[in-house]
Amino acid sequence: DVKVTQSSRYLVKRTGEKVFLECVQDMDHENMFWYRQDPGLGLRLIYFSYDVKMKEKGDIPEGYSVSREKKERFSLILESASTNQTSMYLCASSSPAGTVYNEQFFGPGTRLTVL
Amino acid sequence: QKEVEQNSGPLSVPEGAIASLNCTYSDRGSQSFFWYRQYSGKSPELIMFIYSNGDKEDGRFTAQLNKASQYVSLLIRDSQPSDSATYLCAVMNTGNQFYFGTGTSLTVIP
Repeated sequence: DVKVTQSSRYLVKRTGEKVFLECVQDMDHENMFWYRQDPGLGLRLIYFSYDVKMKEKGDIPEGYSVSREKKERFSLILESASTNQTSMYLCASSSPAGTVYNEQFFGPGTRLTVL
Repeated sequence: QKEVEQNSGPLSVPEGAIASLNCTYSDRGSQSFFWYRQYSGKSPELIMFIYSNGDKEDGRFTAQLNKASQYVSLLIRDSQPSDSATYLCAVMNTGNQFYFGTGTSLTVIP
């Protein structure tokens, strides 16, 4: 079974703090993704990565950065957390485009609250 | 225009009925289509995928794809209260970009 794990299920941080969210997958997937999900807005892509040390901006990258030093691990960094970054953060991984089964597998999510 | 559009609902059906969930997409060349189920407070889980025009059945679930109309649907037969969730449609377009709809909330009434 594909397993995607995230470092925390719930996190509470203060405005201005640096926040690290970590994601690890065990299926040797090339692609990894970070989304945030807010009521009425659906899933919005923050960043994605097709390979180690590679990153691409998604639809809403402002205020976030990412790091992918190892194939199995993809980290999301909030350099200076703000209250409008309170959200559910979801990590996903998939095999490369063009493969037969390239659906995205999701981690359990991290609910981040910024006070 | 959004890449993927779904009616947000809520959709309510009685137990045992057929629930019909619909999704349209904008990129005519899209090749891969997915349905995810998301329970409240949980992450999305894949329930069906379809690549070819027509129907694909898996137990009580049937995915239907009509590429000419740019339309994909999910039918849930014999709906159960445990099917109550938000259903997300996802499409991989010609640029190999993955897009999700905002989801349709389904409630199955016992």
